[in-house]
Amino acid sequence: EPEVTQTPSHQVTQMGQEVILRCVPISNHLYFYWYRQILGQKVEFLVSFYNNEISEKSEIFDDQFSVERPDGSNFTLKIRSTKLEDSAMYFCASSEARLAGLSTDTQYFGPGTRLTVL
Amino acid sequence: KNQVEQSPQSLIILEGKNCTLQCNYTVSPFSNLRWYKQDTGRGPVSLTIMTFSENTKSNGRYTATLDADTKQSSLHITASQLSDSASYICVVTRPSDYKLSFGAGTTVTVRA
Repeated sequence: EPEVTQTPSHQVTQMGQEVILRCVPISNHLYFYWYRQILGQKVEFLVSFYNNEISEKSEIFDDQFSVERPDGSNFTLKIRSTKLEDSAMYFCASSEARLAGLSTDTQYFGPGTRLTVL
Repeated sequence: KNQVEQSPQSLIILEGKNCTLQCNYTVSPFSNLRWYKQDTGRGPVSLTIMTFSENTKSNGRYTATLDADTKQSSLHITASQLSDSASYICVVTRPSDYKLSFGAGTTVTVRA
């Protein structure tokens, strides 16, 4: 069964450094998402991406964050000047169709990247 | 503020027993409700998806119900197995955007 993959599985960085988290969505999917989950807390939506542009973003997704689809397969999340509070699991997800409205399309999550900011 | 509240926060059951998890939401307008299973350290996996017009949806031993009038949903696990130990997350979507609203999850521990 096709799956979403993410690399690295664990990233440790110093505060103030930039990190890039990588994701390979399922090949025929058109909608891509990033979420984060701080340890012990709920999953939070960061951003959705379609047709090479951001569709929606949350209040969390400020100028520190950016997303890119540099080629036909990768989807990346860049965090500039990381802060201690950026430490979390970051999940990439993809879906074939738009999830809004009456869509019952399945959204597939990757295994996550654990980011630790020291 | 749109919210999804789940209860209980955690529960422990014996293998083979049944359990029911609750989800109350205030997201409005509402289009569909999803239940996910999240194993520790892993990404969520979709279990069921229901639109506002559906009352029940099953996936093997998992059965979700939805009452859109009272804004309540439940997830029933039948004949629990050790592999059911996980966090179960209720997620609500709106008609207009991609901002899925996640509940905090219920942690289920199944013991032999």
